[in-house]
Amino acid sequence: DAMVIQNPRYQVTQFGKPVTLSCSQTLNHNVMYWYQQKSSQAPKLLFHYYDKDFNNEADTPDNFQSRRPNTSFCFLDIRSPGLGDAAMYLCATSRRMGISTEAFFGQGTRLTVV
Amino acid sequence: QKEVEQNSGPLSVPEGAIASLNCTYSDRGSQSFFWYRQYSGKSPELIMFIYSNGDKEDGRFTAQLNKASQYVSLLIRDSQPSDSATYLCAVRNSGAGSYQLTFGKGTKLSVIP
Repeated sequence: DAMVIQNPRYQVTQFGKPVTLSCSQTLNHNVMYWYQQKSSQAPKLLFHYYDKDFNNEADTPDNFQSRRPNTSFCFLDIRSPGLGDAAMYLCATSRRMGISTEAFFGQGTRLTVV
Repeated sequence: QKEVEQNSGPLSVPEGAIASLNCTYSDRGSQSFFWYRQYSGKSPELIMFIYSNGDKEDGRFTAQLNKASQYVSLLIRDSQPSDSATYLCAVRNSGAGSYQLTFGKGTKLSVIP
């Protein structure tokens, strides 16, 4: 049973046209993350929520925004996608506490910018 | 800046052999370490985690941790073609935001039948 669900799996958008990616979870985890992964690179953390507290990585471009309306859902908004934003976007969740706390990933959204 | 380094590979091993994947990390205060497997075009899935020095075994997989050397490894015994994937090492950061993971770039493993 899928526990972290991302929609859509594949998204094609035009250069400069706003796009929203969504993520939902059934794990009731406090923390939700958005990662960007380009080919042959490590997943790069864009931002994360601990409950409703938003935490932005210092080098995340302003073009990227996020919303978490409730525990289960989180959205990634790209206001004006550029060609360099084409990547796999991964949503993940985790509990807050625990040394062995792992991140559970969704299946990812592959974004293409044309 | 906290860094996690892995040899990008590709690492090729024959079927049935032992595959050894290595990872070093810069944050000496890091407490826990994770190995994820990622098939091409798919999302990462957890194989195992370790947080105590020494070895931890789970089936064909053994994770090894040496905090003094800031080194963690993953051994895959009796490698199978289905093990062919990219293996990501992830480190839980110390200090504020200690629930965040920093990932290495991954090592691509190819198991040759």
